[in-house]
Amino acid sequence: QLQLQESGPGLVKPSETLSLTCTVSGDSVVTTIYYWGWTRQRPGTGLEWIGGLMFSGRPYYNPSLQSRVTISVDTSKNQFSLSLRSMTAADTAIYYCQRGRMGEDWFDPWGQGTLVTVSS
Amino acid sequence: QSVLTQPPSVSAAPGQKVSISCSGSTFNIGSKYVSWYQQLPRTVPKLLIYNNDKRPSGIPDRFSGSKSGTSATLGITGLQTGDEADYYCATWDNSLSAAVFGGGTKLTVL
Repeated sequence: QLQLQESGPGLVKPSETLSLTCTVSGDSVVTTIYYWGWTRQRPGTGLEWIGGLMFSGRPYYNPSLQSRVTISVDTSKNQFSLSLRSMTAADTAIYYCQRGRMGEDWFDPWGQGTLVTVSS
Repeated sequence: QSVLTQPPSVSAAPGQKVSISCSGSTFNIGSKYVSWYQQLPRTVPKLLIYNNDKRPSGIPDRFSGSKSGTSATLGITGLQTGDEADYYCATWDNSLSAAVFGGGTKLTVL
């Protein structure tokens, strides 16, 4: 059964870079029918797609975050990662990783989510 | 402000039926598949409907999806108190080259 698990710091200082990793178990990230991505949920608000990347393709990012985001895939570790630069309090959120279906763009499964707080 | 518009809240009595709308444009719903997610309080979003009207294994047939033009609808029949959750629609937006979620709809089962 495919499972995704986020890992990374729960606390980040303002202006620093957030680095999160999603470890995939039960399947390989090397696939041409799925892509790997991130979504976040700020406190009390809805879901916001951050971006996604197929193992061998170009990444796609939310235009509102594009200047600060990098998503990458590590096939050797069966993981993918999120880097979000210049963090501010507005980036405090639960960050979820998920698998997306190419061309159909539904997301399943999701990781359990990790809360990231931006504070000095 | 999302490019997909959902009502902030809907409510209905147990046993009744409710519909949640998701309105978009030709750049997104009008030309791409729609999916729906259920987020129970303090839990991870769960895929309810994909490809407009398909249910993943394990999702009861009380949940249904449909799409017409630039709008999509999630229907829930035989409402149960356990259906109280936030519901989100999602699709791809060709003008943004990005996936987009609706703002979410909070369902209250009175």
